[in-house]
Amino acid sequence: EAQVTQNPRYLITVTGKKLTVTCSQNMNHEYMSWYRQDPGLGLRQIYYSMNVEVTDKGDVPEGYKVSRKEKRNFPLILESPSPNQTSLYFCASSTGTGISPLHFGNGTRLTVT
Amino acid sequence: QKEVEQNSGPLSVPEGAIASLNCTYSDRVSQSFFWYRQYSGKSPELIMSIYSNGDKEDGRFTAQLNKASQYVSLLIRDSQPSDSATYLCPETSYDKVIFGPGTSLSVIP
Repeated sequence: EAQVTQNPRYLITVTGKKLTVTCSQNMNHEYMSWYRQDPGLGLRQIYYSMNVEVTDKGDVPEGYKVSRKEKRNFPLILESPSPNQTSLYFCASSTGTGISPLHFGNGTRLTVT
Repeated sequence: QKEVEQNSGPLSVPEGAIASLNCTYSDRVSQSFFWYRQYSGKSPELIMSIYSNGDKEDGRFTAQLNKASQYVSLLIRDSQPSDSATYLCPETSYDKVIFGPGTSLSVIP
């Protein structure tokens, strides 16, 4: 089954404790992206990747890191999480943003206390 | 900064009615247009793609595109309570997909 898999689905952590949210897709998509969603603000792009070893900042990259060492994986890293990073996070992929739609993972609900 | 304007919500329609959702884009970057539906706490799911001017129908859904006006709409016929969700129409370019807050639709039984 074609899918984007995010883990974990729920995560509660404390300020400053490094964490990684994993994202993997099995559709051989070149484009991958991370979004966060907060009430009233919609989906905001954190980072995106056009292909392996190519990553770029989205609209809200501060406090996040990503890597794209393999085509299928695009982990989101929070080196020192803070309470303002409490949010719902989505990973998405597509063959190419301008021509094909995004496929989303099921989301990760992160709480930082 | 690209922006997408959607009709302000929340939008409420009675069951069986036609729901009309609209998007206007701020620039002419987008060449492909998509409608996503998102239930509360769930991930967005694609419901319609439209690439050329005119209408595209898929079941109860009809998308209408006018590229010159950078305007796309979504009509939902015979609205059902299960259509109650937030509808998103992002602006897309070769490297970014920018979402607005979406339009919240409630279908009242």
